[in-house]
Amino acid sequence: GQNIDQPTEMTATEGAIVQINCTYQTSGFNGLFWYQQHAGEAPTFLSYNVLDGLEEKGRFSSFLSRSKGYSYLLLKELQMKDSASYLCAVHSGYALNFGKGTSLLVTP
Amino acid sequence: DAGVIQSPRHEVTEMGQEVTLRCKPISGHNSLFWYRQTMMRGLELLIYFNNNVPIDDSGMPEDRFSAKMPNASFSTLKIQPSEPRDSAVYFCASSSHGGKQETQYFGPGTRLLVL
Repeated sequence: GQNIDQPTEMTATEGAIVQINCTYQTSGFNGLFWYQQHAGEAPTFLSYNVLDGLEEKGRFSSFLSRSKGYSYLLLKELQMKDSASYLCAVHSGYALNFGKGTSLLVTP
Repeated sequence: DAGVIQSPRHEVTEMGQEVTLRCKPISGHNSLFWYRQTMMRGLELLIYFNNNVPIDDSGMPEDRFSAKMPNASFSTLKIQPSEPRDSAVYFCASSSHGGKQETQYFGPGTRLLVL
């Protein structure tokens, strides 16, 4: 079966750093994706990890530990526009299996 | 590129009516996915096409749902008859199968409300 867990909600302050965790148990693993989804919009690609370690892309970084079935998305220098849902998705076979998303609220 | 295109963007219909959702994938992409998103269940894969052929439709809820991909640039998802529990946002996504990363790119979605 597929099981992907992430916190339902998080709140952080503008300018701060926030870490969104994702744990997974899936049959097969071809990589882990993070998507951002603003309310009423489509998910948009943020990052991809297939090997252990940290991938940095501007203010966003994503980490993967395959042995622990664990990933996190790190958002630095938070801005109000970062308020959105962040979806962790594991690529196994051809399919993307999505977590239910973490709703992040950035406050002034 | 215009990205994945979906129509209509919003659909309100009455229970029992037929609903047809349309998708145009990104040019050159050979994989197409239909997803449904609800608050309760999140994003669920309904069906996956590769090179216009349905590969996995195990996520299709029941016989009321059907999907076709007559050519590389067009796909439809049909619900007949529709029921209130079908109310959700339906996303189409496409990717380039065989690529190193196979990132899926999502369309804007169709927001369906069945009364």
